[in-house]
This record gives sequence, C-alpha cells and structure tokens, in this order.
Amino acid sequence: GENVEQHPSTLSVQEGDSAVIKCTYSDSASNYFPWYKQELGKRPQLIIDIRSNVGEKKDQRIAVTLNKTAKHFSLHITETQPEDSAVYFCAASKGGGSQGNLIFGKGTKLSVKP
Amino acid sequence: DGGITQSPKYLFRKEGQNVTLSCEQNLNHDAMYWYRQDPGQGLRLIYYSQIVNDFQKGDIAEGYSVSREKKESFPLTVTSAQKNPTAFYLCASSISGLKSEQYFGPGTRLTVT
Repeated sequence: GENVEQHPSTLSVQEGDSAVIKCTYSDSASNYFPWYKQELGKRPQLIIDIRSNVGEKKDQRIAVTLNKTAKHFSLHITETQPEDSAVYFCAASKGGGSQGNLIFGKGTKLSVKP
Repeated sequence: DGGITQSPKYLFRKEGQNVTLSCEQNLNHDAMYWYRQDPGQGLRLIYYSQIVNDFQKGDIAEGYSVSREKKESFPLTVTSAQKNPTAFYLCASSISGLKSEQYFGPGTRLTVT
C-alpha cells in the first residue's frame, strides 16, 4: 500500500524567512496531495492541495510543488509569521471512492520565532 | 468548521469499559472517517464509511467498532479490547467520488486509566 514519508519532523525559522517541508510517496497511482495545518489542540484544516495534472500551485504565501517522476511534493511558506507556527501534515490518495482514503505523513512541527 | 461536530471534547474512562465517541455532520457528505492521532505518529485511519450501512476497516481497526445507520452520523466505539485507547480521536467527512478533500471535526481526547 501507499506510504508517505515527511521531513523534517521539526523546523524552526526566523520570522520573515521561508520554510520548506518535503514529502515522498510510494504509490505512483496517487493523484491527490493535500496539506493540512493543525494548530495546538485544534482540528487539521486544509491549506492547499494539488492534483497530479499540475506541477505547482500557489495561494498567497504558500505554494506546493509536485514532481511525479520522483514521487515527491513540497510545501513552501514564504515570509513566515508567528501565526504560521503549527504542525503540518502532507497526505496522498488515489482519488475517489475507497481509493480516496488519505495516507498521512507523520507531520512537521513548524516554529516561527519573532 | 461548524459542519462536522464531535462530542464530548474530553472523555475519561476506566480501563475495561467500552466508550462511544460521537461524530455528526450536516455537510451532506457521503463518506466519513475516524482517525487516531498520537504524538509523532500523524493520523492513522481506524474505520471509514463511503455510504450509509457500509463501512470498512482502516489500518488500525482492532479494538474499535463503528456503525453508519444515518448519513449524518458515524459513531466510534472504543472497546475494552483496545490495548492502548488513550489518544486524540478525529472524525472527518468528504464528498465521495473524485473529490477527496476531507473536513475534520474538532476531536475528542480520550483518557483511559
């Protein structure tokens, strides 16, 4: 089955710097890659997602890139702010129905220092 | 955020007791999921249901049971057979078919002593 590896497990940056989190997946049939942000004690919330028919997607300060050949995708956060501090999870799935089950990485704890 | 709810937020039980966690959604989603979250382990799938009256085991179903009698509700029972039940439990839902975006509930933190 699918396996998703996420690195690093912890990341500390200075406010204003960029942060990059990387994930690799094992199943070449996976075609949907969401990123979730979970603040302490709260529910995970989708912040951006990408499907396999595009290589990059941006939304203000966050972007996701996908390399299907290498089977990895990355989250990029620019101009980090203290409110970006949270745990970020990547995930992969093959699409809808029973194949729509998300396989999650183990998470990256991002700390943005003012 | 208000479309999927879980109750209670905190739950305490004695070892050997079964306990049921509630999950309700008003998003008209067909699919619902239960995850367990432990520190450093990410989210692990316990059970999922793609349609009413049908559900499937996830990666860590042992010691858990579910039912899906209504589209809006997907309760999870943590049985006494679950060897390490203390964890944060998250329920999620999604539109079935090609769209896989999942919406999460606020979670229930279960402590068993």
